[in-house]
Amino acid sequence: DTAVSQTPKYLVTQMGNDKSIKCEQNLGHDTMYWYKQDSKKFLKIMFSYNNKELIINETVPNRFSPKSPDKAHLNLHINSLELGDSAVYFCASSQGTGGPHEQFFGPGTRLTVL
Amino acid sequence: SQQGEEDPQALSIQEGENATMNCSYKTSINNLQWYRQNSGRGLVHLILIRSNEREKHSGRLRVTLDTSKKSSSLLITASRAADTASYFCATVPYTGGFKTIFGAGTRLFVKA
Repeated sequence: DTAVSQTPKYLVTQMGNDKSIKCEQNLGHDTMYWYKQDSKKFLKIMFSYNNKELIINETVPNRFSPKSPDKAHLNLHINSLELGDSAVYFCASSQGTGGPHEQFFGPGTRLTVL
Repeated sequence: SQQGEEDPQALSIQEGENATMNCSYKTSINNLQWYRQNSGRGLVHLILIRSNEREKHSGRLRVTLDTSKKSSSLLITASRAADTASYFCATVPYTGGFKTIFGAGTRLFVKA
């Protein structure tokens, strides 16, 4: 049973297109995250939702918009894709209040913008 | 600015040897975590150490935390080829709420 799943695993698209990445967790966690990992493996948090409420919104272009329809899902929509958006995007989830505990990561979505 | 920074950036050892990775951070923390990432995969949580703890063990892993020096180390004993991966420290700033800040990672190569 996959704890945190993401679709698609690979996404190749042209500049200017709009795309979405979906994430689902079956762990019953309250908090979900989106991270971006660049080519140098540096992992940076983008957004976090706790009980469907946005709690972290880092300095990310407003072309990126997260949506959490329920506690188990956190999707990421990207408008007007740019070359610099090419990266691996990871979804993660965690349980507990008062700060993050162990985070469970999805397998990642490798986005390539041509 | 980046909170956690790992040292060394890359480490190559023989199977059976011990591997030590270090992490330094800049601000007060709530806890510090270590994660492993195998090539092409997501991160896997290894161990969490709270700011009031100094050492923690889990199997072949030993983590230390020195809050006065703002540093942590991860020791993997009797390494195996399967330990080949990138290792990241992640800090939760004391006032950071749910924000976790990851370092750039140490790439460990264990030669059989």
